[in-house]
Amino acid sequence: GQQLNQSPQSMFIQEGEDVSMNCTSSSIFNTWLWYKQDPGEGPVLLIALYKAGELTSNGRLTAQFGITRKDSFLNISASIPSDVGIYFCAGQKRGGADGLTFGKGTHLIIQP
Amino acid sequence: SQTIHQWPATLVQPVGSPLSLECTVEGTSNPNLYWYRQAAGRGLQLLFYSVGIGQISSEVPQNLSASRPQDRQFILSSKKLLLSDSGFYLCAWSISGTSRSGANVLTFGAGSRLTVL
Repeated sequence: GQQLNQSPQSMFIQEGEDVSMNCTSSSIFNTWLWYKQDPGEGPVLLIALYKAGELTSNGRLTAQFGITRKDSFLNISASIPSDVGIYFCAGQKRGGADGLTFGKGTHLIIQP
Repeated sequence: SQTIHQWPATLVQPVGSPLSLECTVEGTSNPNLYWYRQAAGRGLQLLFYSVGIGQISSEVPQNLSASRPQDRQFILSSKKLLLSDSGFYLCAWSISGTSRSGANVLTFGAGSRLTVL
């Protein structure tokens, strides 16, 4: 099936540091999404990207849709304790109803 | 506004017992509905999706089944649970049809944690 390679798997950072994570695929995706999951809860959408090259911000979060359509990155600036959680990239190849393909997640841990 | 509800939030079941997880969506009509499973707090695996009442597509062969008896109700079931069915089950919905470049942005419920003993 479709695979998204998300890295890093885990990040241990100090509060205030910037964070960068990315997803790559061997296939082209038409849409890239980034979700965050807090412990014991469902993922919540952070940013949606619809065009190759698109750069979108949501507060301290910035995400880009790669030009090749095979990758995307998410940056978090000046991390704070509530940024802790698992971040998932997700992609969709076409406008069908068959859901999204998810990466395996990046577990962000912030040390005070 | 649209809301999605899942229950129960937590369930502990013996091996071989039946399962029923329920999901309902409010504030929208004819949504696409999805069941995902998340093992060990990591990746999300699509189990089933539905584009309408009685229409179920299965992504992976397994011990589970899904049904959509009403437009905004999606049920995940099993006749006999296995140990390997333990996990965090997430229901999600999206608007039907396509939007912008065709993205089906999913909105997730809070999840149901199943432990099979």
